[in-house]
Amino acid sequence: GQQLNQSPQSMFIQEGEDVSMNCTSSSIFNTWLWYKQEPGEGPVLLIALYKAGELTSNGRLTAQFGITRKDSFLNISASIPSDVGIYFCAGSWSKAGGTSYGKLTFGQGTILTVHP
Amino acid sequence: ETGVTQTPRHLVMGMTNKKSLKCEQHLGHNAMYWYKQSAKKPLELMFVYSLEERVENNSVPSRFSPECPNSSHLFLHLHTLQPEDSALYLCASRGTGGLGEQFFGPGTRLTVL
Repeated sequence: GQQLNQSPQSMFIQEGEDVSMNCTSSSIFNTWLWYKQEPGEGPVLLIALYKAGELTSNGRLTAQFGITRKDSFLNISASIPSDVGIYFCAGSWSKAGGTSYGKLTFGQGTILTVHP
Repeated sequence: ETGVTQTPRHLVMGMTNKKSLKCEQHLGHNAMYWYKQSAKKPLELMFVYSLEERVENNSVPSRFSPECPNSSHLFLHLHTLQPEDSALYLCASRGTGGLGEQFFGPGTRLTVL
């Protein structure tokens, strides 16, 4: 089956630093998603990417859909303490008229800790 | 109430109990999902419902029984669980026009004693 490798597994950074994490897949996707999960809560969608090469920003967050369709990265600039959480990538392969039901394959998550 | 809600938020049960988890989505979506999230493991897809019909069951033990009475509600009935079933159970929903985005509820933290 499809597998996603997300790295790094964890990061400990100082407030104000930039953060970069990425996901690679053994097969191609046509949608890449990035979620953030805080303790005791469900994942919250941060950024959705639909096209190879696409670069999308959401405030201090920037994500890119790799040109090979097998990878994606997420950058966080000027980190702040509330960026703490687990960040998940997820990929989906959906065809028009297909029956994939939008199934997502998730990475293992990157645990981000920000020291004030 | 907006988005996806789940009740209860926390549940402790014995191995012989029967309980149910409830999910409700207020987004007008027509696909709903149950996931299991265990420590240090990726989210595991358990069940998929599309238009109230179960379309996927990922080899989940029969002690987990889903039910989708309408497009807004999803239940997970639990019976004779094992301690290794302790986890965060997440519900998600998605609309047909979407390209994969799923929206998650806050989850139910389940502990099986």
